[in-house]
Amino acid sequence: SYVLTQPPSVSVAPGQTATITCGGGNFGMKNVHWYQQKPGRAPVLVVRDDRDRPSGTPDRFSGSRSGNTATLTITRVVAGDEADYYCQVWDENPDHVYVFGPGTRVSV
Amino acid sequence: EVQLVESGGGLVQPGGSLRLSCAASGFTFTHHYMDWVRQAPGKGLEWVGRVRNRANSYTTEYAAAVKGRFTISRDDSKNSLNLLMNNVKVEDTAVYFCVREYLPGEALDYWGQGTLVTVSS
Repeated sequence: SYVLTQPPSVSVAPGQTATITCGGGNFGMKNVHWYQQKPGRAPVLVVRDDRDRPSGTPDRFSGSRSGNTATLTITRVVAGDEADYYCQVWDENPDHVYVFGPGTRVSV
Repeated sequence: EVQLVESGGGLVQPGGSLRLSCAASGFTFTHHYMDWVRQAPGKGLEWVGRVRNRANSYTTEYAAAVKGRFTISRDDSKNSLNLLMNNVKVEDTAVYFCVREYLPGEALDYWGQGTLVTVSS
């Protein structure tokens, strides 16, 4: 089955830039989505389809993809960005499943 | 405003059964595929399964860990999503989230607040 990899943690100072990577072998045609989860809360979609921001996501959040790595970048980090971040894809081979990365804890 | 509200969580013994429900509002429920995602205490997110919409015959798909034990269903007349958990195991202990698929196989754009299921003797 498909496996996504993420660094366990990223530490960033306020006002600086946080970069979270997501590796998945050959992404191919898969779209990568990113979720933010704060303690005790449900996940929130922050980036869909590699780079699109849903309404409500600050423009400090951006997604990109290059080769076999997807990246979530948070610029001008604030304390409120401290959370777990998960990448996710839809896999159709061999079974139809949603696959999540293990998550990255961003500490500010 | 889209709202997903889960209910039915609680304590269940290993081998027992539990039924979770999710009340949906604020969108055309019948159009969307709906999913369950769970999160064990202190762990990451794990997809449980999905039910397609009426246009796709309400067919279902499940993660390997729950296939044959869990059943997802929906009642479009009540805008509700259900998860029947049979033969539960200790490792099924988790918060269970009701989730909407934006488009089939695309992002999961709305999540409920979750309901906690604890499997213990």
